[in-house]
Amino acid sequence: AQSVTQLGSHVSVSEGALVLLRCNYSSSVPPYLFWYVQYPNQGLQLLLKYTSAATLVKGINGFEAEFKKSETSFHLTKPSAHMSDAAEYFCAVSRGGATNKLIFGTGTLLAVQP
Amino acid sequence: EAQVTQNPRYLITVTGKKLTVTCSQNMNHEYMSWYRQDPGLGLRQIYYSMNVEVTDKGDVPEGYKVSRKEKRNFPLILESPSPNQTSLYFCASSPSGRIPGELFFGEGSRLTVL
Repeated sequence: AQSVTQLGSHVSVSEGALVLLRCNYSSSVPPYLFWYVQYPNQGLQLLLKYTSAATLVKGINGFEAEFKKSETSFHLTKPSAHMSDAAEYFCAVSRGGATNKLIFGTGTLLAVQP
Repeated sequence: EAQVTQNPRYLITVTGKKLTVTCSQNMNHEYMSWYRQDPGLGLRQIYYSMNVEVTDKGDVPEGYKVSRKEKRNFPLILESPSPNQTSLYFCASSPSGRIPGELFFGEGSRLTVL
């Protein structure tokens, strides 16, 4: 069975500081991995995705994530936080197939302090 | 504008009073799905539809029904709502043949059952 664990339900950083949001996955087959972002009162939007091509994936708004198979991790980073990055971030895994099913982590709420 | 539209966005109802949350997408996507989001649990899939007239259960289908009579619409029906169905609901869609898990989400429908 597939699962996703996000370490830290709340993360707070100062504006300009490094953002690191942690995600570990469990999958019996090579996974597809995703980060979604949810701004207040909005739906989720795709931030970036890993699909077995390059292990370092670049997404929108300066975010990137690195797939590390040996650590079963897919941590999300951004070198310098901006106030507009304050949102909830969800890591998700899919094994592909016809059902197109995503398994989501429990989310990490990122606060950015001025 | 390409979008997934849900209605209503907010609803307060009472136990047992049937309700329908509508979902419509204008991207000609074949795949549609419903998720519920609860604090500390992330998003969990309720039902999904691979195409018109093809629907199947997700992880938490109890108490819900869906139908897919047209490609663009995928309503979620609560025949007899109960307080444990108080949640934030998201509809999502995806074109066939795209990377699994790359979903387009609506803005959400917040339901309170008293």
